[in-house]
Amino acid sequence: DAKTTQPPSMDCAEGRAANLPCNHSTISGNEYVYWYRQIHSQGPQYIIHGLKNNETNEMASLIITEDRKSSTLILPHATLRDTAVYYCIVRAPNTGNQFYFGTGTSLTVIP
Amino acid sequence: KAGVTQTPRYLIKTRGQQVTLSCSPISGHRSVSWYQQTPGQGLQFLFEYFSETQRNKGNFPGRFSGRQFSNSRSEMNVSTLELGDSALYLCASRNLRTSGSNEQFFGPGTRLTVL
Repeated sequence: DAKTTQPPSMDCAEGRAANLPCNHSTISGNEYVYWYRQIHSQGPQYIIHGLKNNETNEMASLIITEDRKSSTLILPHATLRDTAVYYCIVRAPNTGNQFYFGTGTSLTVIP
Repeated sequence: KAGVTQTPRYLIKTRGQQVTLSCSPISGHRSVSWYQQTPGQGLQFLFEYFSETQRNKGNFPGRFSGRQFSNSRSEMNVSTLELGDSALYLCASRNLRTSGSNEQFFGPGTRLTVL
Protein backbone atom coordinates (compact mmCIF):
# COMPACT_ATOMS: atom_id res chain seq x y z
CA ASP A 1 0.00 0.00 0.00
CA ALA A 2 1.16 3.50 -0.80
CA LYS A 3 2.32 5.59 2.10
CA THR A 4 1.03 9.05 2.89
CA THR A 5 2.54 12.30 4.13
CA GLN A 6 0.58 14.73 6.26
CA PRO A 7 1.57 17.86 8.20
CA PRO A 8 1.91 17.00 11.89
CA SER A 9 -0.38 19.75 13.12
CA MET A 10 -2.75 22.48 12.01
CA ASP A 11 -4.95 25.12 13.61
CA CYS A 12 -8.30 26.34 12.35
CA ALA A 13 -10.64 29.03 13.63
CA GLU A 14 -14.06 27.86 14.72
CA GLY A 15 -16.62 28.32 11.96
CA ARG A 16 -14.01 28.44 9.20
CA ALA A 17 -13.22 25.69 6.73
CA ALA A 18 -10.45 23.31 7.72
CA ASN A 19 -8.42 22.05 4.78
CA LEU A 20 -6.23 19.08 5.60
CA PRO A 21 -3.74 18.04 2.90
CA CYS A 22 -2.33 14.61 2.21
CA ASN A 23 0.36 13.54 -0.24
CA HIS A 24 0.28 10.05 -1.69
CA SER A 25 2.57 10.30 -4.67
CA THR A 26 3.05 6.53 -5.02
CA ILE A 27 -0.63 5.68 -5.07
CA SER A 28 -1.63 2.86 -7.40
CA GLY A 29 -4.55 2.92 -9.79
CA ASN A 30 -6.80 0.72 -7.66
CA GLU A 31 -6.02 2.28 -4.30
CA TYR A 32 -8.68 4.27 -2.52
CA VAL A 33 -8.00 7.29 -0.31
CA TYR A 34 -9.60 6.99 3.13
CA TRP A 35 -9.85 9.55 5.88
CA TYR A 36 -10.36 8.75 9.54
CA ARG A 37 -10.16 10.87 12.64
CA GLN A 38 -9.50 10.03 16.25
CA ILE A 39 -10.65 12.11 19.13
CA HIS A 40 -8.49 11.63 22.19
CA SER A 41 -8.62 8.07 23.56
CA GLN A 42 -11.55 7.04 21.37
CA GLY A 43 -11.56 4.63 18.44
CA PRO A 44 -10.86 6.11 15.00
CA GLN A 45 -13.96 7.32 13.20
CA TYR A 46 -14.46 6.83 9.49
CA ILE A 47 -15.02 10.12 7.65
CA ILE A 48 -14.96 9.63 3.91
CA HIS A 49 -13.20 7.84 1.08
CA GLY A 50 -12.73 8.19 -2.66
CA LEU A 51 -11.02 6.73 -5.69
CA LYS A 52 -10.86 9.37 -8.42
CA ASN A 53 -13.78 11.73 -8.14
CA ASN A 54 -14.38 14.29 -5.45
CA GLU A 55 -16.70 13.08 -2.74
CA THR A 56 -18.96 14.79 -0.23
CA ASN A 57 -20.97 13.50 2.69
CA GLU A 58 -22.55 14.98 5.79
CA MET A 59 -19.21 15.22 7.54
CA ALA A 60 -16.75 16.44 4.95
CA SER A 61 -15.63 16.79 1.35
CA LEU A 62 -12.73 14.99 -0.26
CA ILE A 63 -10.89 16.61 -3.14
CA ILE A 64 -8.53 14.33 -5.07
CA THR A 65 -6.17 15.85 -7.63
CA GLU A 66 -6.43 14.69 -11.20
CA ASP A 67 -3.12 12.80 -10.99
CA ARG A 68 -4.28 11.31 -7.67
CA LYS A 69 -0.96 12.11 -6.02
CA SER A 70 -2.56 14.24 -3.34
CA SER A 71 -5.88 14.96 -1.72
CA THR A 72 -7.50 17.43 0.66
CA LEU A 73 -10.08 16.77 3.32
CA ILE A 74 -12.36 19.74 3.86
CA LEU A 75 -14.42 20.29 6.99
CA PRO A 76 -16.62 23.16 5.78
CA HIS A 77 -17.45 24.75 9.13
CA ALA A 78 -15.10 23.52 11.81
CA THR A 79 -16.38 23.24 15.36
CA LEU A 80 -14.53 22.62 18.60
CA ARG A 81 -15.67 18.99 18.43
CA ASP A 82 -13.65 18.57 15.23
CA THR A 83 -10.43 18.84 17.24
CA ALA A 84 -8.81 15.45 16.62
CA VAL A 85 -6.02 13.63 14.84
CA TYR A 86 -6.88 13.11 11.18
CA TYR A 87 -5.42 10.17 9.29
CA CYS A 88 -5.14 9.84 5.54
CA ILE A 89 -4.75 6.25 4.33
CA VAL A 90 -4.47 4.73 0.89
CA ARG A 91 -5.34 1.12 0.39
CA ALA A 92 -6.41 -1.22 -2.34
CA PRO A 93 -9.74 -2.99 -1.84
CA ASN A 94 -9.89 -6.64 -0.88
CA THR A 95 -6.22 -6.96 -0.13
CA GLY A 96 -4.90 -8.78 2.87
CA ASN A 97 -2.97 -5.70 3.91
CA GLN A 98 -3.84 -3.71 6.95
CA PHE A 99 -4.66 -0.04 7.09
CA TYR A 100 -1.41 1.85 7.71
CA PHE A 101 -2.34 4.87 9.79
CA GLY A 102 0.88 6.85 9.93
CA THR A 103 1.13 9.80 12.31
CA GLY A 104 -1.74 11.89 10.98
CA THR A 105 -2.45 15.60 11.39
CA SER A 106 -3.43 16.94 14.78
CA LEU A 107 -6.12 19.54 14.08
CA THR A 108 -6.91 22.07 16.77
CA VAL A 109 -10.03 24.18 16.29
CA ILE A 110 -9.62 27.47 18.08
CA PRO A 111 -12.62 29.35 19.51
CA LYS B 1 -27.28 -0.85 13.20
CA ALA B 2 -25.24 -1.21 16.36
CA GLY B 3 -21.56 -0.34 16.08
CA VAL B 4 -18.52 -2.34 17.01
CA THR B 5 -18.49 -3.18 20.69
CA GLN B 6 -15.51 -4.08 22.81
CA THR B 7 -15.34 -5.46 26.31
CA PRO B 8 -14.07 -4.69 28.78
CA ARG B 9 -13.46 -0.96 28.29
CA TYR B 10 -10.79 -0.77 30.97
CA LEU B 11 -8.54 -3.40 32.44
CA ILE B 12 -5.69 -3.43 34.94
CA LYS B 13 -3.35 -6.40 35.10
CA THR B 14 0.07 -7.15 36.53
CA ARG B 15 3.18 -8.32 34.75
CA GLY B 16 3.15 -12.00 33.89
CA GLN B 17 -0.60 -12.32 33.81
CA GLN B 18 -2.62 -12.98 30.68
CA VAL B 19 -5.62 -11.11 29.34
CA THR B 20 -8.45 -11.77 26.90
CA LEU B 21 -10.24 -8.95 25.11
CA SER B 22 -13.49 -9.33 23.21
CA CYS B 23 -14.89 -7.66 20.11
CA SER B 24 -18.33 -7.92 18.52
CA PRO B 25 -18.36 -6.58 14.94
CA ILE B 26 -21.14 -4.75 13.20
CA SER B 27 -23.87 -7.17 12.19
CA GLY B 28 -23.05 -8.68 8.81
CA HIS B 29 -19.37 -7.80 8.95
CA ARG B 30 -17.20 -10.89 8.78
CA SER B 31 -13.78 -9.28 8.92
CA VAL B 32 -12.34 -8.22 12.27
CA SER B 33 -8.97 -6.53 12.73
CA TRP B 34 -7.11 -5.70 15.91
CA TYR B 35 -4.79 -2.75 16.49
CA GLN B 36 -2.59 -1.64 19.35
CA GLN B 37 -2.18 2.06 20.01
CA THR B 38 0.53 3.52 22.21
CA PRO B 39 1.81 7.10 22.46
CA GLY B 40 5.20 6.12 21.14
CA GLN B 41 4.27 3.78 18.29
CA GLY B 42 0.88 5.06 17.22
CA LEU B 43 -1.68 2.69 15.72
CA GLN B 44 -0.14 -0.65 14.86
CA PHE B 45 -1.87 -3.55 13.18
CA LEU B 46 -1.98 -6.82 15.12
CA PHE B 47 -4.01 -9.22 12.97
CA GLU B 48 -7.12 -9.65 10.89
CA TYR B 49 -9.62 -12.49 10.94
CA PHE B 50 -12.15 -13.44 8.33
CA SER B 51 -14.44 -16.44 8.50
CA GLU B 52 -12.63 -17.75 11.56
CA THR B 53 -9.26 -17.69 9.78
CA GLN B 54 -6.38 -15.33 10.33
CA ARG B 55 -5.69 -13.72 6.99
CA ASN B 56 -2.98 -11.25 7.93
CA LYS B 57 -0.67 -10.63 10.85
CA GLY B 58 1.38 -7.68 11.98
CA ASN B 59 4.83 -7.69 13.50
CA PHE B 60 4.04 -8.69 17.08
CA PRO B 61 5.47 -11.51 19.21
CA GLY B 62 3.68 -14.81 19.61
CA ARG B 63 2.37 -13.70 23.02
CA PHE B 64 -0.32 -11.90 21.05
CA SER B 65 -2.90 -14.22 19.59
CA GLY B 66 -6.46 -14.08 18.45
CA ARG B 67 -9.37 -16.08 17.20
CA GLN B 68 -12.72 -15.58 15.58
CA PHE B 69 -15.92 -17.47 16.20
CA SER B 70 -18.58 -18.59 13.76
CA ASN B 71 -20.72 -15.58 14.66
CA SER B 72 -17.78 -13.31 13.68
CA ARG B 73 -17.10 -12.24 17.25
CA SER B 74 -13.39 -12.12 17.95
CA GLU B 75 -11.12 -12.36 20.93
CA MET B 76 -7.49 -11.45 21.34
CA ASN B 77 -5.25 -12.83 24.02
CA VAL B 78 -1.99 -11.52 25.39
CA SER B 79 -0.01 -13.89 27.55
CA THR B 80 2.82 -13.13 29.96
CA LEU B 81 2.00 -9.44 30.06
CA GLU B 82 4.81 -6.90 30.01
CA LEU B 83 4.74 -3.26 31.07
CA GLY B 84 5.05 -2.27 27.41
CA ASP B 85 1.78 -3.97 26.59
CA SER B 86 -0.07 -1.10 28.25
CA ALA B 87 -2.04 0.39 25.41
CA LEU B 88 -5.40 1.07 23.86
CA TYR B 89 -6.47 -2.03 21.95
CA LEU B 90 -8.82 -1.32 19.10
CA CYS B 91 -11.00 -3.64 17.13
CA ALA B 92 -12.35 -2.80 13.69
CA SER B 93 -14.84 -4.59 11.48
CA ARG B 94 -15.54 -4.33 7.79
CA ASN B 95 -17.77 -5.83 5.19
CA LEU B 96 -15.56 -7.38 2.54
CA ARG B 97 -17.16 -6.83 -0.82
CA THR B 98 -16.16 -8.31 -4.12
CA SER B 99 -15.53 -4.87 -5.55
CA GLY B 100 -15.17 -1.32 -4.40
CA SER B 101 -13.97 -0.01 -1.12
CA ASN B 102 -14.29 -1.65 2.25
CA GLU B 103 -13.88 0.89 4.98
CA GLN B 104 -13.26 -0.20 8.55
CA PHE B 105 -15.39 0.79 11.51
CA PHE B 106 -13.71 0.93 14.88
CA GLY B 107 -14.91 0.15 18.35
CA PRO B 108 -14.22 2.36 21.38
CA GLY B 109 -11.22 0.29 22.43
CA THR B 110 -10.07 -1.46 25.57
CA ARG B 111 -7.61 0.48 27.70
CA LEU B 112 -5.17 -2.05 29.20
CA THR B 113 -2.83 -1.01 31.97
CA VAL B 114 -0.09 -3.40 33.06
CA LEU B 115 1.42 -2.73 36.48
